[in-house]
Amino acid sequence: EVQLLESGGGLVQPGGSLRLSCEASGFTLGNDDMGWVRQAPGKGLEWVSTLSTGTTYYADSVKDRFTISRDNSKNTVSLQMNSLRVEDTGVYFCAMDSGNDAFDVWGQGTRVTVSS
Amino acid sequence: EIVLTQSPGTLALSPGERATLSCRASQRLSSTYLAWYQQKPGQAPRLLIYGASSRATGIPDRFSGSGSGTDFTLTISRVEPEDVAVYYCQLVFTFGPGTKVDVK
Repeated sequence: EVQLLESGGGLVQPGGSLRLSCEASGFTLGNDDMGWVRQAPGKGLEWVSTLSTGTTYYADSVKDRFTISRDNSKNTVSLQMNSLRVEDTGVYFCAMDSGNDAFDVWGQGTRVTVSS
Repeated sequence: EIVLTQSPGTLALSPGERATLSCRASQRLSSTYLAWYQQKPGQAPRLLIYGASSRATGIPDRFSGSGSGTDFTLTISRVEPEDVAVYYCQLVFTFGPGTKVDVK
């Protein structure tokens, strides 16, 4: 079964850092586009970042603070989040685009809380 | 920056009725990049439609997508109680605010 499993969420103070990981199981990540989407409590979906072959994309709200990367040897994608703000609080979903220009595989999400 | 507007905000229907959800973009882009997702409470989103009109794997044929340019539509031909969810459109990287569908 194709699955994505996120980890690394938790409680962090404003200005702190967290590293989220997304491990693929049942398939090899390869060169598929991978992304992160977040959802603040009670709010809608917000695209955060996408890693395409050789290119990274970021929402303006996280640019210069977040970094997406891939480790094919571990079959994982990571999101390094620095200088965290209260407004970064939410559930972070990892998602994969297997070639249809849409996210067709999603993880269950990991919760990030930024609070003092 | 692309802005997506979804209407209505909430749709309340009876089982068997037809649901028509709208997604309007602030600029014209290829429909290749238009997708629809369903998110049920406490769950991750699920891809319903990609390329504006192609159903994703395992999606019932009562779900259909149409549109081009700046106006797109998701239609549920006969809603069922299990269709209670928030539906989001996405164009390239931007998500719309969602339409909540209630079935009673």
